[in-house]
Amino acid sequence: NAGVTQTPKFQVLKTGQSMTLQCAQDMNHEYMSWYRQDPGMGLRLIHYSVGAGITDQGEVPNGYNVSRSTTEDFPLRLLSAAPSQTSVYFCASRRHAVGGTPPGTQYFGPGTRLTVL
Amino acid sequence: LAKTTQPISMDSYEGQEVNITCSHNNIATNDYITWYQQFPSQGPRFIIQGYKTKVTNEVASLFIPADRKSSTLSLPRVSLSDTAVYYCLVGDPLGGGADGLTFGKGTHLIIQP
Repeated sequence: NAGVTQTPKFQVLKTGQSMTLQCAQDMNHEYMSWYRQDPGMGLRLIHYSVGAGITDQGEVPNGYNVSRSTTEDFPLRLLSAAPSQTSVYFCASRRHAVGGTPPGTQYFGPGTRLTVL
Repeated sequence: LAKTTQPISMDSYEGQEVNITCSHNNIATNDYITWYQQFPSQGPRFIIQGYKTKVTNEVASLFIPADRKSSTLSLPRVSLSDTAVYYCLVGDPLGGGADGLTFGKGTHLIIQP
């Protein structure tokens, strides 16, 4: 299993440009989440999904869109990038069931480092 | 959603035992306590999880008192490679919504030679 994969690893955008951060998992996890991490800060939840076709907002959703058309993929879209969106973005997935690995354990991707000029 | 409070930073030395305490006064009946470790430029990874009393694995121990309003992550005989940020999360893994998805700022543990 590849686990959680994210692309690209690095990205530089100009203010106003749009882009999509890709996230995929091959563990058949129901839950997928997007976080951003700024220097000296913990991880802040942007959006999450409890299954295909279902998404919801986290703590800092403004400026980001998500969709979940398949169990495996959960892309994060920046429609008009702003310098305030310069950050490291992490995608995570977890099961929504009892049993197996400790319940609710999240598995994280390697992150995407985004710079908006 | 249960809120957690943990020290911003801690220092220790190689070979020492390190204990990091997390407060979660409004923990709910179905909530589990989960600790993650994050190295620079990497995503967090699971360390240990518990519901009550004591849990031990090959990496750490987790102590949870009877009232479950706090928990203590214990790292035995730390090394320089244990320098990382440690996060305590509380939530119901079957609770739905954003339960168990909220990270705080974590504890930055620095191990010195």
